Amino acid sequence: EVQLVESGGGLVQPGGSLRLSCAASGFTFSLHWMHWVRQAPGKGLVWVSRINSDGSITTYADSVKGRFTISRDNAKNTLYLQMNNLRAEDTAVYYCSTLSGPMDYWGQGILVTVSS
Amino acid sequence: DIQMTQSPSSLSASVGDRVTITCQASHDIYNYLNWYQQKPGKAPNLLIYDASNLETGVPSRFSGSGSGTDFTFTISSLQPEDIATYYCQQYGNLPLTFGGGTKVELK
Repeated sequence: EVQLVESGGGLVQPGGSLRLSCAASGFTFSLHWMHWVRQAPGKGLVWVSRINSDGSITTYADSVKGRFTISRDNAKNTLYLQMNNLRAEDTAVYYCSTLSGPMDYWGQGILVTVSS
Repeated sequence: DIQMTQSPSSLSASVGDRVTITCQASHDIYNYLNWYQQKPGKAPNLLIYDASNLETGVPSRFSGSGSGTDFTFTISSLQPEDIATYYCQQYGNLPLTFGGGTKVELK
């Protein structure tokens, strides 16, 4: 069974940092590009970042460029999102996903709340 | 950035009705378009990829068509379990972008 399980979310003050993790199982993680997508409360889906299969290529949405860093550890089948200098507008559920058809897999999502 | 204009933003239909959602891209995205279904509190679920290909396990009442800038998603006979929000998403250009969503409700 394919599973993507996010962790590391929670409440953080503006300007703070969090590191999200996404543990993958049930498929060959090291062959897939991986993405982070977020969804603010009551809002639509927004793509955040992507990384290629070996971690050598990364891309970011303008809204997070310079503040967020995507990375992966294929030996641990884990995707990461380091989020620094967090702002209130970063408050959202964050999903990791392969974002590809076919074989499109998503995690259950993890809530990040940025508030003082 | 490619803007994805999805319409309508919401609709109300009866069980058995044919439901159609459109998505217009601001630039040519060939057929690089996905359609997702999202139920409250859940992750999105891919229904259609490459504009018209049905994801494995997805009921055949769901279909997609179009290419270039104009795309259509259809539910041929709405079922109660189809109540959800639907999103189009383009992957022809970075940044990847989603439509604003269509909330489908039962009349």
